[in-house]
Amino acid sequence: AQSVTQPDIHITVSEGASLELRCNYSYGATPYLFWYVQSPGQGLQLLLKYFSGDTLVQGIKGFEAEFKRSQSSFNLRKPSVHWSDAAEYFCAVGGLGTDKLIFGTGTRLQVFP
Amino acid sequence: GAGVSQSPSNKVTEKGKDVELRCDPISGHTALYWYRQSLGQGLEFLIYFQGNSAPDKSGLPSDRFSAERTGGSVSTLTIQRTQQEDSAVYLCASSPGTGGGTQYFGPGTRLLVL
Repeated sequence: AQSVTQPDIHITVSEGASLELRCNYSYGATPYLFWYVQSPGQGLQLLLKYFSGDTLVQGIKGFEAEFKRSQSSFNLRKPSVHWSDAAEYFCAVGGLGTDKLIFGTGTRLQVFP
Repeated sequence: GAGVSQSPSNKVTEKGKDVELRCDPISGHTALYWYRQSLGQGLEFLIYFQGNSAPDKSGLPSDRFSAERTGGSVSTLTIQRTQQEDSAVYLCASSPGTGGGTQYFGPGTRLLVL
């Protein structure tokens, strides 16, 4: 079955600390992987995506993610978190020939000053 | 260029009434999606339109929910005989439809059923 798992429902970090949000997927074909961010009261905004090539992808706002096929993972990282990064983060998977995505349940990030 | 727009931004209705939610996708995008996001929950897929193909309705939770897309552009999600459990944010997204394309989301319609 195709699915995305975000094991951490809620994460709290201090401003300036490093961040890693976990994402594991199950997909029957070559996956396309995405991270979206949703600020309170807003729609979803694309942070970054992986289609092929370099397994470490850079995104907006200083985020990066690494695709690890052997672990079926696509974890999101940021070396130093800012208070404005507090939001809900969604991992998603899709594939060739379709734009339809399967989303994880999200991780809510809280940042303390 | 304009992004995905949705209207209304907020809707309050009484239980049993019908509601219509509108989505204007990005011009030229052939794929359009509706999702539901209940309080504190993730994204629940509802329906997917791709070009002139029959829509993928596999996510619609009941026959009270329906959606149409006219002229390959604007879409309307209709909820008949609304129930309190229908209260949620309804998100629309569009994508180029070329396969592996990024979905672009609208700001959502917040529906409250009293």
